[in-house]
Amino acid sequence: DAGITQSPRHKVTETGTPVTLRCHQTENHRYMYWYRQDPGHGLRLIHYSYGVKDTDKGEVSDGYSVSRSKTEDFLLTLESATSSQTSVYFCAISPQGTVSGNTIYFGEGSWLTVV
Amino acid sequence: SQQGEEDPQALSIQEGENATMNCSYKTSINNLQWYRQNSGRGLVHLILIRSNEREKHSGRLRVTLDTSKKSSSLLITASRAADTASYFCATDTNQGGKLIFGQGTELSVKP
Repeated sequence: DAGITQSPRHKVTETGTPVTLRCHQTENHRYMYWYRQDPGHGLRLIHYSYGVKDTDKGEVSDGYSVSRSKTEDFLLTLESATSSQTSVYFCAISPQGTVSGNTIYFGEGSWLTVV
Repeated sequence: SQQGEEDPQALSIQEGENATMNCSYKTSINNLQWYRQNSGRGLVHLILIRSNEREKHSGRLRVTLDTSKKSSSLLITASRAADTASYFCATDTNQGGKLIFGQGTELSVKP
């Protein structure tokens, strides 16, 4: 296991409510990522972080915000959940990002249903 | 839009046969990686090939990369039922240390 814990693993929430997903790592890796996985779309990058307080947008960042106040924690927040945000969310980590050939290590996923 | 596109979307073979999956991408890359995902689980890294490499092997896996065609293939030889999973290619395009994934190929290996 890559030392990544996602919480909660399963959540059902109502439209319009805020939701926060947490990713915790024990590897002290610099890079952390949030992806969502949907049928027909594969994995799409939402946001990523390259250090404490350093974050950037991915392909599908609208409706999501992130925060990284500590190396080990990367939070994904849905400010006002919509049904289109029903998905499986994966956190991933990487020592120095992927430019130098580092791989990324995935958590086990968080299943979110917005009703 | 997705950087990587896998082909086929689904593949069903018998145990012992070879499985070939293809990936095409749109922009220049630093490296291309293949990942595997078992049902209900996270993705696991299989193999990485750099842009200056043409072929790489790891056990029963063989990856090729053709940068002129912007395509890669993953070959699994002598497949086993345990190889049943979804396989994804992912490209690093030198844009901030992140990977862009394709939609995946769902491989089913029948015993």
